[in-house]
Amino acid sequence: GAVVSQHPSRVICKSGTSVKIECRSLDFQATTMFWYRQFPKKSLMLMATSNEGSKATYEQGVEKDKFLINHASLTLSTLTVTSAHPEDSSFYICSARDGGGRGLRDQYNEQFFGPGTRLTVL
Amino acid sequence: QKEVEQDPGPLSVPEGAIVSLNCTYSNSAFQYFMWYRQYSRKGPELLMYTYSSGNKEDGRFTAQVDKSSKYISLFIRDSQPSDSATYLCAMSGGSNYKLTFGKGTLLTVNP
Repeated sequence: GAVVSQHPSRVICKSGTSVKIECRSLDFQATTMFWYRQFPKKSLMLMATSNEGSKATYEQGVEKDKFLINHASLTLSTLTVTSAHPEDSSFYICSARDGGGRGLRDQYNEQFFGPGTRLTVL
Repeated sequence: QKEVEQDPGPLSVPEGAIVSLNCTYSNSAFQYFMWYRQYSRKGPELLMYTYSSGNKEDGRFTAQVDKSSKYISLFIRDSQPSDSATYLCAMSGGSNYKLTFGKGTLLTVNP
């Protein structure tokens, strides 16, 4: 299967600092990447969808100025949590869709998920 | 009403048991139905995918979709301790549309 990596896997920071999380597709070109947030015992909530070379589309209720997303290349997307606060502590997961067709099952185009980044803001 | 409802459990079964996991949904536009498995502190991995109504079998796993009742199920036969994980249902309105997830059900299979 296709591989998606995330870095760092875990980060602890002080309140008010900014944190950057990287998401990479290692063996395919990802035309679309997604960023999710998962709180304990809660579902994965889609934060934003990003297409390479264009601005991200944010879900309702997600502050675009706080969660900056950059998808500058077909293999890399970054999520920057600006001025992080304790309520931003969560598990952030990215996924990527292969623009070249890998993961295409009948009519469904699979999203491949990264291993997630655990953010703790003190 | 949430778009996708899933009982979070936890669910604990003995090894070899048949496990039944379920989700209900309210959005009739959903056409693609998925089950993901997520181990602790890991990203989800796709287990089963079904398009529209019907059954799909893959080894010990069977996915069922009943669009008339807006109800989907995942059955695990001969459950193993390695099946212990959180199982998330997910749905999409189109092949390239965003996924809407259930809360996930935490399953423990005891040896």
